[in-house]
Amino acid sequence: KAGVTQTPRYLIKTRGQQVTLSCSPISGHRSVSWYQQTPGQGLQFLFEYFSETQRNKGNFPGRFSGRQFSNSRSEMNVSTLELGDSALYLCASSTGTGDGYTFGSGTRLTVV
Amino acid sequence: GEDVEQSLFLSVREGDSSVINCTYTDSSSTYLYWYKQEPGAGLQLLTYIFSNMDMKQDQRLTVLLNKKDKHLSLRIADTQTGDSAIYFCADFGNTGKLIFGQGTTLQVKP
Repeated sequence: KAGVTQTPRYLIKTRGQQVTLSCSPISGHRSVSWYQQTPGQGLQFLFEYFSETQRNKGNFPGRFSGRQFSNSRSEMNVSTLELGDSALYLCASSTGTGDGYTFGSGTRLTVV
Repeated sequence: GEDVEQSLFLSVREGDSSVINCTYTDSSSTYLYWYKQEPGAGLQLLTYIFSNMDMKQDQRLTVLLNKKDKHLSLRIADTQTGDSAIYFCADFGNTGKLIFGQGTTLQVKP
């Protein structure tokens, strides 16, 4: 059974640019959640998509957005990048009931 | 808001058992998770327990849940140097998202 696939693994962007990260969940999982991990703030919830609808949202500015496609793959977009957006972005796949929350390897974003 | 607390550091000798502890505040918790993170890597799911269970065993891993005290522990038997990593406890409840502890760094000395 394939795991959660995140692409790309590493990204370097300049302040003011935008970036799109991709996540393919485990087959059969309909929920995809995104988390940001930084040394200072730890693991923080960004948002969750279930059946193409945003079901839950964390306390991040509107520059952070996402979407989910009919095959459950999800993308996360960050516009007008700031230095503080440098982080490891983790995607998690689950059934949607809190069961079987499995993470991908993450995308390491560096903003310079 | 809901909170999860873990001690920050644990050091053990190779071959000993490790016990990592976690407390949480969520009265509506349904699942409790343990993840392992190695340097530069994502979160590896180790095990998780449904809130109506007291214990779950999976090879070298034993999870104990005391729901009354809102206390969760992860025991690793016969700890190896490859077990050195950061271990995160996380709670899933009515918030609809995982609430993570700060992580416990496990150092295994040969």
